[in-house]
Amino acid sequence: AQSVTQLDSHVSVSEGTPVLLRCNYSSSYSPSLFWYVQHPNKGLQLLLKYTSAATLVKGINGFEAEFKKSETSFHLTKPSAHMSDAAEYFCVVSADKAAGNKLTFGGGTRVLVKP
Amino acid sequence: NAGVTQTPKFQVLKTGQSMTLQCAQDMNHEYMSWYRQDPGMGLRLIHYSVGAGITDQGEVPNGYNVSRSTTEDFPLRLLSAAPSQTSVYFCASSYAGQNYGYTFGSGTRLTVV
Repeated sequence: AQSVTQLDSHVSVSEGTPVLLRCNYSSSYSPSLFWYVQHPNKGLQLLLKYTSAATLVKGINGFEAEFKKSETSFHLTKPSAHMSDAAEYFCVVSADKAAGNKLTFGGGTRVLVKP
Repeated sequence: NAGVTQTPKFQVLKTGQSMTLQCAQDMNHEYMSWYRQDPGMGLRLIHYSVGAGITDQGEVPNGYNVSRSTTEDFPLRLLSAAPSQTSVYFCASSYAGQNYGYTFGSGTRLTVV
């Protein structure tokens, strides 16, 4: 079984300040972890993924995430928020190849960026 | 453009009606899945397929059927629509293998009245 908990349902930041989105996971298997972003009325776009290589993963648009096995965490960060980062972000775990690598989503974190 | 195509984008159904949501991908992906998105609940897996002719249930399969006769297509059928099926539906596809991320379609917004 696998599960994902995103610790904040909403995060509000000022433009130019750092962003931190927190994610904890549990998995019976060695997981792959992903962050997806969803802009209003759009589909989901892959930001970055962890696949058991480097624990610090760099993604698109200046985002990065660090996999910490001891803490079962995969927090997403960005040094300086931009207005275009306003969106909903989903932490996702993928495991169990026999089940089609089915994805389990966190509840999402909605990011508001203030000018 | 390569990707996952969902049709229709919007649909209103009356309770008890049936319909099929279409999903097609042109990336030769083995894996395909259907999710529904409801406020505050993230996305939940309805059905998935690991290849043509092979499907299985996800977390919330009741009221939905799927089939996978070709690699490219993975339609989702609502048998008898209920207001609880009002949601946004996403189709996604991926290469086989845990390390690949899924590519998502742009979604179908379904309202059942």
